[in-house]
Amino acid sequence: AQSVTQLGSHVSVSEGALVLLRCNYSSSVPPYLFWYVQYPNQGLQLLLKYTSAATLVKGINGFEAEFKKSETSFHLTKPSAHMSDAAEYFCAVRPSLFSGGYNKLIFGAGTRLAVHP
Amino acid sequence: DSGVTQTPKHLITATGQRVTLRCSPRSGDLSVYWYQQSLDQGLQFLIQYYNGEERAKGNILERFSAQQFPDLHSELNLSSLELGDSALYFCASSPKGGSEQFFGPGTRLTVL
Repeated sequence: AQSVTQLGSHVSVSEGALVLLRCNYSSSVPPYLFWYVQYPNQGLQLLLKYTSAATLVKGINGFEAEFKKSETSFHLTKPSAHMSDAAEYFCAVRPSLFSGGYNKLIFGAGTRLAVHP
Repeated sequence: DSGVTQTPKHLITATGQRVTLRCSPRSGDLSVYWYQQSLDQGLQFLIQYYNGEERAKGNILERFSAQQFPDLHSELNLSSLELGDSALYFCASSPKGGSEQFFGPGTRLTVL
């Protein structure tokens, strides 16, 4: 079965520091991959997606993620953290058409990012 | 704003009761998905509808049911509610041929 693992349920960085949120997936066929952000008391907002067009994907708010097939990883980065980046971040996989259940998203457990002055 | 709307925003009810959650997808989107977010289970896919027909089922309990109407809005019905059903319920929609899903703001259900 497909799964998503997010390493670190809580990450804390200083304002202006690099943000690195880790995501590993299990899939025998390269899937579609997504990062979503959830601000307090809000729904999930799509940050970026990987659909096999390019391994380095740029998203909104200065975030980007790199797909590494050899490592089955899709880590999210941002060069300089801002206070407004404090939120919960979810990595999600949508299995490919050739796997079962391609209609749904499978989410990781989430990583709560704290940004301190 | 994703364009997906959900009502109500909050719902407080008692065990054994039945509730209906409503979702309107983005204009033009034919697919609607329902997810449950709870502290112990995380985000779990419940069910998907496409243009009025059930397309995929996930970890949805038999006490739960859903439907999508001709105007494409969807309703999630939860019955015989238990304390453990307290959670955030999200609706998402996706465009035809699109891979990403756009989420609504969610309905927070509290079962007392």
